[in-house]
Amino acid sequence: DQQVKQNSPSLSVQEGRISILNCDYTNSMFDYFLWYKKYPAEGPTFLISISSIKDKNEDGRFTVFLNKSAKHLSLHIVPSQPGDSAVYFCAARRSNDYKLSFGAGTTVTVRA
Amino acid sequence: GAGVSQSPRYKVAKRGQDVALRCDPISGHVSLFWYQQALGQGPEFLTYFQNEAQLDKSGLPSDRFFAERPEGSVSTLKIQRTQQEDSAVYLCASSPDSLGAEAFFGQGTRLTVV
Repeated sequence: DQQVKQNSPSLSVQEGRISILNCDYTNSMFDYFLWYKKYPAEGPTFLISISSIKDKNEDGRFTVFLNKSAKHLSLHIVPSQPGDSAVYFCAARRSNDYKLSFGAGTTVTVRA
Repeated sequence: GAGVSQSPRYKVAKRGQDVALRCDPISGHVSLFWYQQALGQGPEFLTYFQNEAQLDKSGLPSDRFFAERPEGSVSTLKIQRTQQEDSAVYLCASSPDSLGAEAFFGQGTRLTVV
């Protein structure tokens, strides 16, 4: 039972433009959300997170938005750079839990 | 090294063979996790250690899977009598705190059972 869903398996964007990655979750108990970035043959690397007490968190070019009522979050990358080409995983957990539930990932390709 | 290290990077096993996958977490990290990532899917939780104690093994798919962390540092994931459905990337992660909020992942071991 997939509790975290990333419905777009891939995204292609031109360098300099905005990348928007979407993630939906079904478990209303989740209150902490993370995005991980993964290059080929490497492990996932933590990118940015957000707690359910906030609806936005920004870190440089990366911003995560959380819509609790819709059980939806998104990651915005502005501007997109060639080094952003990777697989992005959305993950979620309860704040008092250690177990992460991951989405299937979205492969982002930034075109020069 | 500074990161989480896993070995081997790649393992090909014949069906029925036993395998052992090793994880060296970041020194001093309390929490250690194992995840299984099937092709085209996100990582799925297998088991969790806090120091040497295995506090959660609810994600282990069968009793053929066994994990240990005897001294609270290095961990080994053992799979007995491997089956084709065990083919996946096995990821180890460690975290300095007990909640593993921002766990650091290793590069994974790709297991192929033929």
